[in-house]
Amino acid sequence: DAGVTQSPTHLIKTRGQQVTLRCSPKSGHDTVSWYQQALGQGPQFIFQYYEEEERQRGNFPDRFSGHQFPNYSSELNVNALLLGDSALYLCASSLPGANVLTFGAGSRLTVL
Amino acid sequence: AQSVTQLGSHVSVSEGALVLLRCNYSSSVPPYLFWYVQYPNQGLQLLLKYTTGATLVKGINGFEAEFKKSETSFHLTKPSAHMSDAAEYFCAVSETDSWGKLQFGAGTQVVVTP
Repeated sequence: DAGVTQSPTHLIKTRGQQVTLRCSPKSGHDTVSWYQQALGQGPQFIFQYYEEEERQRGNFPDRFSGHQFPNYSSELNVNALLLGDSALYLCASSLPGANVLTFGAGSRLTVL
Repeated sequence: AQSVTQLGSHVSVSEGALVLLRCNYSSSVPPYLFWYVQYPNQGLQLLLKYTTGATLVKGINGFEAEFKKSETSFHLTKPSAHMSDAAEYFCAVSETDSWGKLQFGAGTQVVVTP
């Protein structure tokens, strides 16, 4: 049973560019949440998608946007990259109404 | 607003010794509480969670945690550390009506020495 898969695992971008990160949830899960984990810090909630809509959002600017597809997979898009966007981006999936999250291994973004 | 404080960013324990990781939270409503572990280059893995009921919660790998409402604490313990316990540990809190939206602490790095 595949868990949460994320791609790419590592990527390097320059300031001002745009990036798209992808996530496939665990089989049977239909809710996807995204977290940003800066170096030496705990993960911070970005937003959550369920039924192809953003359901909850953390304190992140509009440069951060997302999408969920009919097969429950999800994308995280970040526009106009800043140096401070360098972080590990974690995707987590769950059943609706469940607080138990299954995390992927993350996508490490470096912004130069 | 919720917040989570983990006391000690680094903890060093001897193999076989007690592991104690401290977590205090603030929340306006009774929260759900979690401990996650993160091994290098991996995602987070759930160790245990408290939602309702028994305040002493047992998790995987021999870990347990006790919810103390009066102290707003949810400390994690393991009686005997193993080398494989070396990892980063995160305490997290969620409001009961915000499923999937976790507030994490800054984490505690555990080093196990022979």
